[in-house]
Amino acid sequence: ELKVEQNPLFLSMQEGKNYTIYCNYSTTSDRLYWYRQDPGKSLESLFVLLSNGAVKQEGRLMASLDTKARLSTLHITAAVHDLSATYFCAVVISYGGSQGNLIFGKGTKLSVKP
Amino acid sequence: DTGVSQDPRHKITKRGQNVTFRCDPISEHNRLYWYRQTLGQGPEFLTYFQNEAQLEKSRLLSDRFSAERPKGSFSTLEIQRTEQGDSAMYLCASSFGLEQFFGPGTRLTVL
Repeated sequence: ELKVEQNPLFLSMQEGKNYTIYCNYSTTSDRLYWYRQDPGKSLESLFVLLSNGAVKQEGRLMASLDTKARLSTLHITAAVHDLSATYFCAVVISYGGSQGNLIFGKGTKLSVKP
Repeated sequence: DTGVSQDPRHKITKRGQNVTFRCDPISEHNRLYWYRQTLGQGPEFLTYFQNEAQLEKSRLLSDRFSAERPKGSFSTLEIQRTEQGDSAMYLCASSFGLEQFFGPGTRLTVL
């Protein structure tokens, strides 16, 4: 069964600092996703990573994927308070070539303090 | 608004009652998913439709849970004889290509 593990689960950062969130998954998957969730809100798509070595950046967030290591990272550069949220990684299970459901990690709750 | 919509946004019910939630996906999205999220956890997959066909339902939590997508457009998720453990956020997502877009969710509280 596919399992997705994130660490850390809780992260308290100071503004201006850099940090990395890690996402490991247990079996081969077609693609990996990163989502953001604010308290009481739904999930906002951040990145879709499709292939080994894929790197995507948006503002202060950069995501990468190493399919051989079954590892993705979400790097935060010069954190600001607005980045405070819970970040989830998820991998997809496909059914006979048709995209299936996502398996999520438990999430990393990020708190950026001044 | 052309995003995924869900109705109701909040539902409070008494134990033993039946509840039904509705999801309207983004137009032309042929895939529709239901997930459940409990406090402090990531979303947990429940079931998945491609058009009107339910392709995966083994993850539905018990036989009290059922879902339909009769014409390949909107979908309903029904929970019969609700239990307090059913209290959670129920999320719907839709997709056409690689990306799943999530709705705002229905928060269920079972008293």
